[in-house]
Amino acid sequence: KNQVEQSPQSLIILEGKNCTLQCNYTVSPFSNLRWYKQDTGRGPVSLTIMTFSENTKSNGRYTATLDADTKQSSLHITASQLSDSASYICVVSSDSGGSYIPTFGRGTSLIVHP
Amino acid sequence: GAGVSQSPSNKVTEKGKDVELRCDPISGHTALYWYRQSLGQGLEFLIYFQGNSAPDKSGLPSDRFSAERTGGSVSTLTIQRTQQEDSAVYLCASSLWSGSNNEQFFGPGTRLTVL
Repeated sequence: KNQVEQSPQSLIILEGKNCTLQCNYTVSPFSNLRWYKQDTGRGPVSLTIMTFSENTKSNGRYTATLDADTKQSSLHITASQLSDSASYICVVSSDSGGSYIPTFGRGTSLIVHP
Repeated sequence: GAGVSQSPSNKVTEKGKDVELRCDPISGHTALYWYRQSLGQGLEFLIYFQGNSAPDKSGLPSDRFSAERTGGSVSTLTIQRTQQEDSAVYLCASSLWSGSNNEQFFGPGTRLTVL
C-alpha cells in the first residue's frame, strides 16, 4: 500500500529561525514528489516538485531535497517569517496503469512565533 | 482568470439530509479532483474526472457519495443521507490534464458539518 509519512506532526519555532520538515514514502512506481503549503482555511498551494533525477529544488526561502534511494524528502525553511505558519503537506505521485492518484501525507503544522 | 472556486464555503446540515457541493475549475483545465480532509488526517482521494473519460470513482467511501461533471467544467459532489462521520472539508482541484507532472490547483474547500 502506498504511504507517505511526515514528521514532526507539529513544530513551533521563533521568527527568523530555520527548520526542516521530513517526509518518508513507500509509493511505487515513483513519479514525482511535491511539497504543498496549506494556510488555515485555504486549499494547498504547490511549493516545489521533484522527479526521480532531481535531488534538490529551491523556491525562495524553501529548499526541498529528495533521496530516491532511501525514499526520503525534506523541506528546509530558511529565516522563517510569521507568514510561514501553515500546514506543509508532502505528496507523492505515481503513474500506474494510466490512473493518476497522488498519495498525501498528513502534513506538518508549523507555527512561527514573533 | 480566477482560480478554482467552491460553494458553499460552509454547510451545516442535519443527519440524514442530502447535500450538494459545487466546484468551478480553472477554465481550460480538463482534469478535476475531489478530496476529503478530516481533522488531523491527510487528504483522502474521492473521485477524479479527465475530459470525457469515465471518472475514476475508486475513492468514494460509500454509495451515498456521487459526483457529476457537466459539460467538462463545473462539478457537483452529492452526499445522500449524510452521517456525522461525513463532517470534513471537501476540497476540489483542477489541472490542465491528468498525469503526475501536472500541478493541481486547489479551491478553498467546503467545510461540511453534519449535526
